[in-house]
Amino acid sequence: AQSVTQLDSHVSVSEGTPVLLRCNYSSSYSPSLFWYVQHPNKGLQLLLKYTSAATLVKGINGFEAEFKKSETSFHLTKPSAHMSDAAEYFCVVSEGYSTLTFGKGTMLLVSP
Amino acid sequence: EPEVTQTPSHQVTQMGQEVILRCVPISNHLYFYWYRQILGQKVEFLVSFYNNEISEKSEIFDDQFSVERPDGSNFTLKIRSTKLEDSAMYFCASRAIRDDPLNTEAFFGQGTRLTVV
Repeated sequence: AQSVTQLDSHVSVSEGTPVLLRCNYSSSYSPSLFWYVQHPNKGLQLLLKYTSAATLVKGINGFEAEFKKSETSFHLTKPSAHMSDAAEYFCVVSEGYSTLTFGKGTMLLVSP
Repeated sequence: EPEVTQTPSHQVTQMGQEVILRCVPISNHLYFYWYRQILGQKVEFLVSFYNNEISEKSEIFDDQFSVERPDGSNFTLKIRSTKLEDSAMYFCASRAIRDDPLNTEAFFGQGTRLTVV
């Protein structure tokens, strides 16, 4: 069975400082891993995906994530936060097509 | 860019009434999903659908829920007799089928906010 743990329910940063959103996963197989972002009153938008081609994955809006199999982690980072990054971020694991399992989400707060 | 569309964006219904939430997946996608997110809680899997049948369903997806692909474009979620606890945002998603499932992401719609009163 697959599962996802997002270690922080809220992360607060100042604009221009680095962002780190943590995600650990559990999977019986080689999983697909994704980060989705949800802005207030909006749908779920794909930020990036891990597909086994490369362990460091680049996504939209300057976000990156690194897949570390030994640590079963897929943390999301960004060198410099922008006010528009304030949103809820979901780490998602999938072991095939039948389901995608969401973490509980991390709310990113960005202050000026 | 192709997108998943959901209608309506908001629906208010009385407890015990039937509701149908509609979704138009991306046209060449073959795997479809419904998820829900109760306010302040995590996104929960309800059901996946492939080749005109349910592929997998969660414990939430009981006899009150059903899904259908009535034609070549729509994918619907029906709740037969709504309860207060069904109030949530419901997301539809679709996914292409490729040789490598690791390389396919799900595309989500904007959601339908269902309020049961």
